[in-house]
Formats: sequence, structure tokens, C-alpha cells
Amino acid sequence: DGGITQSPKYLFRKEGQNVTLSCEQNLNHDAMYWYRQDPGQGLRLIYYSQIVNDFQKGDIAEGYSVSREKKESFPLTVTSAQKNPTAFYLCASGGMGGYTFGSGTRLTVV
Amino acid sequence: GQNIDQPTEMTATEGAIVQINCTYQTSGFNGLFWYQQHAGEAPTFLSYNVLDGLEEKGRFSSFLSRSKGYSYLLLKELQMKDSASYLCAVREIGDSWGKFQFGAGTQVVVTP
Repeated sequence: DGGITQSPKYLFRKEGQNVTLSCEQNLNHDAMYWYRQDPGQGLRLIYYSQIVNDFQKGDIAEGYSVSREKKESFPLTVTSAQKNPTAFYLCASGGMGGYTFGSGTRLTVV
Repeated sequence: GQNIDQPTEMTATEGAIVQINCTYQTSGFNGLFWYQQHAGEAPTFLSYNVLDGLEEKGRFSSFLSRSKGYSYLLLKELQMKDSASYLCAVREIGDSWGKFQFGAGTQVVVTP
């Protein structure tokens, strides 16, 4: 079955560490997106990519980095520069009919 | 950019009807989507409007008025499993598929 897979489901990060969240899709979508969700707030766009080897900053890109070396994969790195990384992170891929979301990664700083 | 407003929370009784309103401002409208999100899970697609009018899908209906920047999601014959957050999302014109902007979500609580 086609879908989008995020891993891990839960991730704990120590202060000063970089961590990478995985996102893989087999829907053959060109566009992929990373969103951050905080309690009581809407999804906020971190980065998006419309084609391999190209990506653009979203509304809250500071402290994050991405790569798009393959159509199927769009990993997100949360760097030590991100001051408040504890959140629920959602990856999505898009067709004209809308987004398909992954199941999310909950990141906690310890 | 755009502003998307929807109520924070609504409570209704099992079997009743609830209407969730969403207003938006955008410089380039290219579709309005509703998603359902249960706590700790991924949002799932419910409905899509790009033209004015009502779209009906079983117990869920969605309405759009582009001139008023207004949409609503109507949930009929509420069931306990409908307790979730409902996200209004607007797609912008431009780029290949268009980026989405999301509202903060409306938490619907269904009581027995």
C-alpha cells in the first residue's frame, strides 16, 4: 500500500545535540513538507520541497535543515540552534487532492 | 500570507449536529481543505472545496463562500469517535501544488 512513513515515533534529544527525523513516501509525490505542531497552535511550515535537490524555507526554518537527495525521502535535522525543539513534527507529501501525512514524530528535549 | 480563524473548542451531544466555522484571508486562494486529527495522530483528509457551494460526504459536509472568505464543516449524527481536532487549511496559488496554511484547529468534544 502507498503511504508516508515517519520514524522514530518518539525521540529524545539532549541539549546541544542535532537529531534527524526520517520521512519516506512511496506515493510518487513530487512535493514534500515538514510541519511543526505545538499545543493550541496550528501546523507551522518548516521546509518544503517540490523536486529532488531543491527545497525552500517555510515560516519557521531557523534551527532546522533538510535535504532532498531522492524523491522518496525528505529528512529533517533539528540542530542545536533550535531554541525550543520540543514539539510534534509532521511530514506530508502532496498531490492536487491534498496532503497525505505521516504519523508524526514527538521530539522532547531532556 | 493569510489568516485563518476557527473556534478553539466546541462541545456537542452524541447524535447531534455541530458546525465548525472557518474564516480566512488570502492573496491567492486555491482550495480549502478540512482535516480530522485525533490526539497524537496524523491529520486525515475529510473534504475539499475549491468552488462555492456545499460538498457532502456521508455524515460530513463542507461549505465554501470565496467572496466571504468563509467555510464551514458540518458533522451530523455525531458519534463518540468524532471527538477530535478539526483543522481548516487553505491552499495558496503558486508553486507546483501549492502550500497549505493551517488554522489552529477546533477541538470537538462529543458527550454521551
